[in-house]
Amino acid sequence: GAVVSQHPSWVICKSGTSVKIECRSLDFQATTMFWYRQFPKQSLMLMATSNEGSKATYEQGVEKDKFLINHASLTLSTLTVTSAHPEDSSFYICSARARQGATWNEQFFGPGTRLTVL
Amino acid sequence: SQQGEEDPQALSIQEGENATMNCSYKTSINNLQWYRQNSGRGLVHLILIRSNEREKHSGRLRVTLDTSKKSSSLLITASRAADTASYFCATDPLNRDDKIIFGKGTRLHILP
Repeated sequence: GAVVSQHPSWVICKSGTSVKIECRSLDFQATTMFWYRQFPKQSLMLMATSNEGSKATYEQGVEKDKFLINHASLTLSTLTVTSAHPEDSSFYICSARARQGATWNEQFFGPGTRLTVL
Repeated sequence: SQQGEEDPQALSIQEGENATMNCSYKTSINNLQWYRQNSGRGLVHLILIRSNEREKHSGRLRVTLDTSKKSSSLLITASRAADTASYFCATDPLNRDDKIIFGKGTRLHILP
C-alpha cells in the first residue's frame, strides 16, 4: 500500500514553545490530508481536514489558531501546535487520501508523532 | 455522532482461542475498515470491506459486514501473543465530506 510518513516520530518541548509536525505522502498525491489526535487509551479524534491549496476545516472544539495546518503541496501537510501546553501532550496522527475522478481512494495513515510538553 | 462503537471495550482470551470484536455505526457508509494499534504506535491497516460486500478474509482475519444492522465483526482465529493490541473500526461515511470516523476501540489481550 501507499506510504505516509510523519516527522518527527516523537518530540519533547517546553511549555509555551511551538512545534511543527510534517506529514508526507511518499508515493501518491494526496488531495486531502487529515489530522487526528489520540489521548492515552482513547480512540482517534479527527481534528481537521485539509485540502491542498485551501484552508483547513476544523472540527468543533479544535482551536484553529492553536493548531495551524498548512497543506501547501499534494505531498506535504504540516501541523503546528502553537504555544504548546502540557494538555496538548498527545499522539498526533495524519492520514492522506487521493481522489481519482469521482472516487476516493483508500485513506493511508502515518505512523504518528508523540508530543510531550513539559 | 457518526462514530462507530466497538464492543467489547476490552477482551482477554487465552492464546490459541478465537477473538471476536464487533463494531456498530450509525449512518450509511462507503466502506468500513479495521485497524490495529500496538501500544504507543501508529495504526496498521488490517482489512477494508466495502458496503456491497458481506464477508472478507485475510489470513487469520475474517470480517463481516451487515449494512442492514449497521454492524461489522472482526474475528481473529488461533490468536497469538502478538495479536495483543487495540483494534479500531473506522467507517467511511457516505455523506460526510469524505472523512473517516473511528470507533472507540477494543483492547485485546492474549494471555500466554
